[in-house]
Amino acid sequence: NAGVMQNPRHLVRRRGQEARLRCSPMKGHSHVYWYRQLPEEGLKFMVYLQKENIIDESGMPKERFSAEFPKEGPSILRIQQVVRGDSAAYFCASSQTGYRSEAFFGQGTRLTVV
Amino acid sequence: QQQVKQSPQSLIVQKGGISIINCAYENTAFDYFPWYQQFPGKGPALLIAIRPDVSEKKEGRFTISFNKSAKQFSLHIMDSQPGDSATYFCAPNTDKLIFGTGTRLQVFP
Repeated sequence: NAGVMQNPRHLVRRRGQEARLRCSPMKGHSHVYWYRQLPEEGLKFMVYLQKENIIDESGMPKERFSAEFPKEGPSILRIQQVVRGDSAAYFCASSQTGYRSEAFFGQGTRLTVV
Repeated sequence: QQQVKQSPQSLIVQKGGISIINCAYENTAFDYFPWYQQFPGKGPALLIAIRPDVSEKKEGRFTISFNKSAKQFSLHIMDSQPGDSATYFCAPNTDKLIFGTGTRLQVFP
């Protein structure tokens, strides 16, 4: 049973380009979370999704950021027109029930905006 | 997310010593209190968790102590080992994890 798979592991984008980060949850998990981590800092909640639904996006910036978790395929975090401040590690986690259950994290995608 | 405060920011412990990390929260709706461990370049992994109906939980060298009235819970690592060197996050939650700012633990041989 593979763990949470994130790809790519490293992504370099020029300012103004789009970044697409993918997350495949663990088998049987229908709850996905995205977090952002800046160097030497904690993890900041961005968005919580279930299949085809956004449950909580209170941590998502209002502009340029979007997330989806389609019925088929991985969850996608999309950042449009990236800026240098978007450089960070983005972690995805999945859980089975979403409530009081263990969340399993992927290895993260390290986004660098040049 | 300022509703979770973790201390200390960093901790240096000698091998065999006790490491203690504290977490204070504001939201009384939190009802699940986990600690996550993160090694450099890796995602966090659940270390130990407690529910509010108990005041203490022990798993091997790791113990969570929970004080509901004070809205605090702490992680104790007994007989700390160099392999415990990592960043530790408390992440109290209801439906989503709200992470503390993290504690970098260094255990020296």
